[in-house]
Amino acid sequence: LAKTTQPISMDSYEGQEVNITCSHNNIATNDYITWYQQFPSQGPRFIIQGYKTKVTNEVASLFIPADRKSSTLSLPRVSLSDTAVYYCLVGDGAIAGGSYIPTFGRGTSLIVHP
Amino acid sequence: DTEVTQTPKHLVMGMTNKKSLKCEQHMGHRAMYWYKQKAKKPPELMFVYSYEKLSINESVPSRFSPECPNSSLLNLHLHALQPEDSALYLCASSQDSATDTQYFGPGTRLTVL
Repeated sequence: LAKTTQPISMDSYEGQEVNITCSHNNIATNDYITWYQQFPSQGPRFIIQGYKTKVTNEVASLFIPADRKSSTLSLPRVSLSDTAVYYCLVGDGAIAGGSYIPTFGRGTSLIVHP
Repeated sequence: DTEVTQTPKHLVMGMTNKKSLKCEQHMGHRAMYWYKQKAKKPPELMFVYSYEKLSINESVPSRFSPECPNSSLLNLHLHALQPEDSALYLCASSQDSATDTQYFGPGTRLTVL
């Protein structure tokens, strides 16, 4: 089971780009990388998912190097409303066979200042 | 409709009470999950249902009893809970595997007195 490591907290200012890196040294061949955002007292919300190279959607980009042992979530031009906890999850999703257990790491608490 | 609903939003119960948490989704998802989240901690997986069958039970005490009556509903029956069970209980669903997007409900804030 791939274990993830993220910085506990980060600070930024409105309008800046924020990059949050997740380490997953023992990622398996079939594993995907998924990022979630969580506001206080709310359920996590899907941000982005990728397998390799770069993925971009309307809210973020995900950069995955060739060895896939880490990934970086990039949030362009953050605003105060991006203050939240960000989690990365790694796994192959083989729930039916019982081999994959979605495990949230400690997450990164991002605080965006005015 | 990409919404997962959970009821109630808040629940206060005594240690001898029996209560149930409910979760519903109408996205046609075949995997549903219960998570427990303590303050300032990440969500911890409790149970996973895949195609209405219990697929994963993460060594959860028997005072928590899940039930999946049909593909849209997930219940969590609570009995003889302890104060340390107070937490935010989150329900989620995904298409049919965890690499698909998990859609989370808003959670039920449970307080055990």
